[in-house]
Amino acid sequence: DVKVTQSSRYLVKRTGEKVFLECVQDMDHENMFWYRQDPGLGLRLIYFSYDVKMKEKGDIPEGYSVSREKKERFSLILESASTNQTSMYLCASSLRREGRWEQFFGPGTRLTVL
Amino acid sequence: SQQGEEDPQALSIQEGENATMNCSYKTSINNLQWYRQNSGRGLVHLILIRSNEREKHSGRLRVTLDTSKKSSSLLITASRAADTASYFCATEGGSEKLVFGKGTKLTVNP
Repeated sequence: DVKVTQSSRYLVKRTGEKVFLECVQDMDHENMFWYRQDPGLGLRLIYFSYDVKMKEKGDIPEGYSVSREKKERFSLILESASTNQTSMYLCASSLRREGRWEQFFGPGTRLTVL
Repeated sequence: SQQGEEDPQALSIQEGENATMNCSYKTSINNLQWYRQNSGRGLVHLILIRSNEREKHSGRLRVTLDTSKKSSSLLITASRAADTASYFCATEGGSEKLVFGKGTKLTVNP
């Protein structure tokens, strides 16, 4: 079974702090994603990585950066956390099988910025 | 970016009833996928329907796709309390990225 793990289930940080959210997948997937999920807005893509050291902005990259130094690990960085970044953050990796992409999600990190 | 829109936003039914959720999208797709999310957890893939298919079944799930209307529906038959979750459609348009809708929150009352 594919396993995607996220470093924390719950995180509380203060405004202005630098925040690191870590995601690890154990299935050698090329692609990894970071989403944020907010009530009424669904999942919105923050960043996407299709290979080590490769990244692509998603729909809402402002205020975030990412790092992919190893294939299995994709980190989301909030350089200076703000209250409007309080959200559920979901990491995913994807596999192409039978002609389609399927995403596998981690359990999520609920981040609160005070 | 294109985004699926699920309808209704929330649905509450009794155990044993059928639940129908709808998804509309904006641009052409290769396939449409449905995912389920239990409260406070990640999403899990349920079923996929390709653009050249009209209907697909998997256990108690039935998915239909109407590409002329750019819409899909997910039917869960004989619902159980354990089906309580949020359900999302996601469209694949030819890239590695999926575009997710806003979800339907289903509550199945025992």
